[in-house]
Order: sequence, then structure tokens, then C-alpha cells
Amino acid sequence: DIQMTQSPSTLSASVGDRVTITCRASQSISYWLAWYQQKPGKVPKLLIYKASSLESGVPSRFSGSGSGTEFTLTISSLQPDDFTTYFCQQYNSFPWTFGQGTKVEIK
Amino acid sequence: EVQLVESGGGLVKPGGSLRLSCAASGFTFSSYSMNWVRQAPGKGLEWVSSITSSGANIYYADSVKGRFTISRDNAKNSLYLQMNSLRAEDTAVYYCARPRGGCFDFWGQGTLVTVSS
Repeated sequence: DIQMTQSPSTLSASVGDRVTITCRASQSISYWLAWYQQKPGKVPKLLIYKASSLESGVPSRFSGSGSGTEFTLTISSLQPDDFTTYFCQQYNSFPWTFGQGTKVEIK
Repeated sequence: EVQLVESGGGLVKPGGSLRLSCAASGFTFSSYSMNWVRQAPGKGLEWVSSITSSGANIYYADSVKGRFTISRDNAKNSLYLQMNSLRAEDTAVYYCARPRGGCFDFWGQGTLVTVSS
């Protein structure tokens, strides 16, 4: 199985900050990586697919990059609505696997 | 509007069984593979199972293989998950999710399964 490791597990930042979350795969997954945002008690929301494609309706302050085994999610200017948890997911091969999550907190 | 509505969750004793359902609407259900994804309380996301549009190909996570069975009825626009030999570690919110490629662009609201004596 492909293991997905996110870092950091928790990130403290302020409104307006530029933040980056990293996701590493235990083996190459090409660009078959997605990023989700999940607010407490809510359903995960797809932000980025194919490593860098922005899902329709997602603000342009979110961006993704990477290929192979290392990927990043960047929020260019944190907004109050962005303080929540983010997950990466590989869909290169079954079983599809998720990272453990990164919680973005208010500093 | 795409809608996925899960049902069938509840409290069950260890070793018991439960059948989850997912009613789909707003898209051509028979054209999509479908998935179950779960999330234990306060934990991350775990993909559980996938079934292709015709039902010809099915995949399971190792953690549920041999105990869970995914199925679908395209005439009823419905997805199912039969869960047998349930364990405490199966306690989770179970989401029905529509994939695009292999990521998930639409999710149901989830149904809570609690396995406890």
C-alpha cells in the first residue's frame, strides 16, 4: 500500500499569512493526488485534483504543486474561513490512501 | 444537483451486521463507479471500497476484506455496503462518495455506525 505522510500535523498561522502543507508518498504516484478541506462536522470538500488542478468554485488563493512523491498545498493569503483541517489523497493505485491530516490553527 | 443520501447506520454489537444504503440523484448513476469512505471519530479519512459502474470490478481495503460487501442497483440509483462481523474499530461515519478519476468530488452527509456492546 502507498503511505501518505502529511507535514506538519498542526500549523499555527495568522490571517494573511502564506502557508504550505506538504504531502509525501511512499512511492511515486505521478500526479494522482488530491487535496481536501474538512471543517468540523462537515463533509470533505475537494480543493485540488491531479496535484495542481483547482476544483471549480475553489478560491484562487489555493494552489497545488508537485509530482512523483512530494506535493504541496499552498494558501497564498489565509482567510478566517481557512482555519480548519486539510487532507491529501493518492489515487494512483488501490487501495486509495489519505494523509493523516493537517490542522491549520489561528496563531 | 448531485445528491447522495446515506442511511442504515446505527448501534450494533461486536460481531453483528449492518447494511448501509446510499440513494443517488442528480446525475447518471449507472455511468459512475462509486465508493464508500469512512472516518472514525476525531480521526482521518479511510477509503473502504469501490465498485465500477456495471459492478464488474470491486475493490476493498484490507481492513474490511472478507467482512464487507459493496453492491449497487443501477435501476434504483442505489449503492449498498453490507457489513458483517463488525468490530469496535469499524466505528465511524460512513460516506458514500462519487469519484472523478479516483478523487471524490461529491460526498453524502454520512451515516454513523457505532460498534459497541
